[in-house]
Amino acid sequence: DAKTTQPNSMESNEEEPVHLPCNHSTISGTDYIHWYRQLPSQGPEYVIHGLTSNVNNRMASLAIAEDRKSSTLILHRATLRDAAVYYCILRPYSSASKIIFGSGTRLSIRP
Amino acid sequence: DTGVSQNPRHKITKRGQNVTFRCDPISEHNRLYWYRQTLGQGPEFLTYFQNEAQLEKSRLLSDRFSAERPKGSFSTLEIQRTEQGDSAMYLCASSLETGNAFFGQGTRLTVV
Repeated sequence: DAKTTQPNSMESNEEEPVHLPCNHSTISGTDYIHWYRQLPSQGPEYVIHGLTSNVNNRMASLAIAEDRKSSTLILHRATLRDAAVYYCILRPYSSASKIIFGSGTRLSIRP
Repeated sequence: DTGVSQNPRHKITKRGQNVTFRCDPISEHNRLYWYRQTLGQGPEFLTYFQNEAQLEKSRLLSDRFSAERPKGSFSTLEIQRTEQGDSAMYLCASSLETGNAFFGQGTRLTVV
């Protein structure tokens, strides 16, 4: 399974944008880039995913580098409820394969 | 149907006892996954089912662990002869064959 590299932790201020980086230099052409997050005492929840083009949804935006070897999850205006561990994950296109989690980035939000 | 349901939410057991956890997936989801998570780590994959068939098992799933999904709906995860190292959060997730996974809130197991 292709691996991803994320910073262990990041801090941001409330109501400011947050950019969470992820490196995936060994990504294959059929791997989708997925982001999940895990709030305290909760199971992980899906945030966003993409293949090549940048993606936007109500929760976040995903910016994918042209060579697909890195991506950035963007929270446009962080709130205290966005404090969580964010996981960047590669999943093959072919089917809903198992999700392999790394250690993720623990995001803290300062009020 | 509001999501993936796991029971119990918390379980304390004595070392050597057997425990069983239940997961009720989202009703139309044919895939069901089990994960284990210890403090400060990401979830670790244990096993997954497509309908009633168990398609993959991790090496983490020792012979003391068994998972079933007899009718392709709910699933159970049993741990026999529990050890202190089994203390963790056990997470269940479900998905359609080509969809995103939805996770339950987990069962926290403490072995004393």
